[in-house]
Amino acid sequence: EDKVVQSPLSLVVHEGDTVTLNCSYEVTNFRSLLWYKQEKKAPTFLFMLTSSGIEKKSGRLSSILDKKELFSILNITATQTGDSAVYLCAVATGGSEKLVFGKGTKLTVNP
Amino acid sequence: NAGVTQTPKFQVLKTGQSMTLQCAQDMNHEYMSWYRQDPGMGLRLIHYSVGAGITDQGEVPNGYNVSRSTTEDFPLRLLSAAPSQTSVYFCASSYAGADEQFFGPGTRLTVL
Repeated sequence: EDKVVQSPLSLVVHEGDTVTLNCSYEVTNFRSLLWYKQEKKAPTFLFMLTSSGIEKKSGRLSSILDKKELFSILNITATQTGDSAVYLCAVATGGSEKLVFGKGTKLTVNP
Repeated sequence: NAGVTQTPKFQVLKTGQSMTLQCAQDMNHEYMSWYRQDPGMGLRLIHYSVGAGITDQGEVPNGYNVSRSTTEDFPLRLLSAAPSQTSVYFCASSYAGADEQFFGPGTRLTVL
């Protein structure tokens, strides 16, 4: 059975801190790993990673994939209160558009 | 483009009632899916469709039916609502073979 595990499940930090969110997976026929940010409504897409060792960046957010060790990290530097959200990790497997989601990491950034 | 739209935004049902959650997309996406999200459980796939006339079960299909008569619409039917179906329901869509899915705003369903 395909499995995606995120850690920690929740995290409370102060504005300006740097955080690292983790996502590990055990799936058959890995195709890609995706990160989504979910505030109070629908998940919104952040990154898609398919190749090991290539960092994706968008402003203060960055993510990297390690296909040998089967995990990805999402880094957020100089956190702001607007970064408070649930961050979801999902994996796509070959031959299907289905995504397998982890349970999410709830990040709270306090002023 | 409106993207992925869902109606209603909120719904309260009594046990045993039936209802249909509506989902539509205007991006000509072939793939559409329904997820439910419960506290601490992430998103779990209920049903999905790879094109008009083709549907299949996901991880938690029991108690739900779907059909896909057009590319644009993918309604989710609750046949006889149960309190265990209290959840937030998200519809999502993507192009065939694409991994990035676009999500609707969700429907919050409460079954009493």
